[in-house]
Amino acid sequence: EVQLLESGGGLVQPGGSLRLSCAASGFTFSNYGMSWVRQAPGKGLEWVSSISGSGGKIQYADSVKGRFTISRDNSKNTLYLQMNSLRAADTAVYYCAKAVHHILTGFLSNFDYWGQGTLVTVSS
Amino acid sequence: QSALTQPASVSGSPGQSITISCTGTSSDVGGYNFVSWYQQHPGKAPKVMIYEVSNRPSGVSDRFSGSKSGNTASLTISGLQAEDEADYYCSSHTSSSTYVVFGGGTRLTVL
Repeated sequence: EVQLLESGGGLVQPGGSLRLSCAASGFTFSNYGMSWVRQAPGKGLEWVSSISGSGGKIQYADSVKGRFTISRDNSKNTLYLQMNSLRAADTAVYYCAKAVHHILTGFLSNFDYWGQGTLVTVSS
Repeated sequence: QSALTQPASVSGSPGQSITISCTGTSSDVGGYNFVSWYQQHPGKAPKVMIYEVSNRPSGVSDRFSGSKSGNTASLTISGLQAEDEADYYCSSHTSSSTYVVFGGGTRLTVL
């Protein structure tokens, strides 16, 4: 059974930092790209960042570029999101999601498994 | 403002059918067959219901179906049930530098 378990959320002041973790199990972690998707209170889903299975390809949304860093440790089956220079607008539930890519094109097909989410609140 | 446009809300009575639209551009929905739909109940994580426009993952009811015409994708739910009441989000591959784009979400109310 695939499981994704996020941790590391909490209350942080504007300008502060936080590191989120996502512990994965039930599948061969290194074979799959992973993403972080966030959802502000009462709002829709927003893709934040993605990383390939090997960690060699990384992408960020413009809204977090230069402030957030995605990484993974395949020996620990864990995905990370280092968040610096946090703003009130970063307040959201952060989900990690397992990505399925089309075998021929490499394009994202869908996120087939999601964690339960971890809440990040940026406030003074 | 979301990259893909969805109606804010739709409603239907038990047993009826409803359709949720998702409108993009030729750079995303219209240009690729990589549209997926997610169901999200309050306080829960999203769950994929449809992928690659019209494919259903194992375990998803065949009451859920997807289609696409031009720059607009659609999710149809037939035989509405109370448990279908949730928020629904579409997403699509995009030729822009963004990895994926989401719609703003549609709240489905079962009357």
